[in-house]
Amino acid sequence: DIQMTQSPSSLSASVGDRVTITCRASQGISNYLAWFQQKPGKAPKSLIYGASSLQSGVPSKFSGSGSGTDFTLTISSLQPEDFATYYCQQYNSYPYTFGQGTKLEI
Amino acid sequence: EVQLLESGGGLVQPGGSLRLSCVASGFTFSSRAMSWVRQAPGKGLEWVSAIIGTGGTTYYADSVKGRFTISRDNSKNTLYLQINSLRAEDTAVYYCAMSFEMDYWGQGTLVTVSS
Repeated sequence: DIQMTQSPSSLSASVGDRVTITCRASQGISNYLAWFQQKPGKAPKSLIYGASSLQSGVPSKFSGSGSGTDFTLTISSLQPEDFATYYCQQYNSYPYTFGQGTKLEI
Repeated sequence: EVQLLESGGGLVQPGGSLRLSCVASGFTFSSRAMSWVRQAPGKGLEWVSAIIGTGGTTYYADSVKGRFTISRDNSKNTLYLQINSLRAEDTAVYYCAMSFEMDYWGQGTLVTVSS
């Protein structure tokens, strides 16, 4: 199985900051990498697929990059509604696997 | 607008069974792979199972293989997850998600396994 490792596990930031979350796969997954945002008590929301393609309706402040084993999610100009938990997920091969999550806190 | 609506969760005793459903609308259901993902209380996301658009091929996490069965009825735009031999560690919110990339998710249905 492909292991997905996110860092950091938690991150403190302020409104207006720019933050970066990293995700590393235990083996190459090309660009079959997605990023999700989850707020407490809510379903996850897709932000990015194909490592760098923005989902429809997602603001351009979110951006993704990477290929192979190393990936990043960058959020610019943090707003209060961006404070949430973020997960990466590989869909290169089954079983699909998620990172452990990064909790973005004020 | 894509909508996914799960149902069928509830409180069940260890060893019991449930069938979860996910009714889809707003897209051509039969052309999309579908997945089930679960989240135990206070924990991260765990992929559970997936099925291709025709229903001809299915995939399972090792933790549920042999106990869970994914299926779909394309005439009813509905995805199912039959869960048998339930264990305490199966307690979670179960989400259905559309496509390989999991572009859209339902609101989830809670399964609680307890005596």
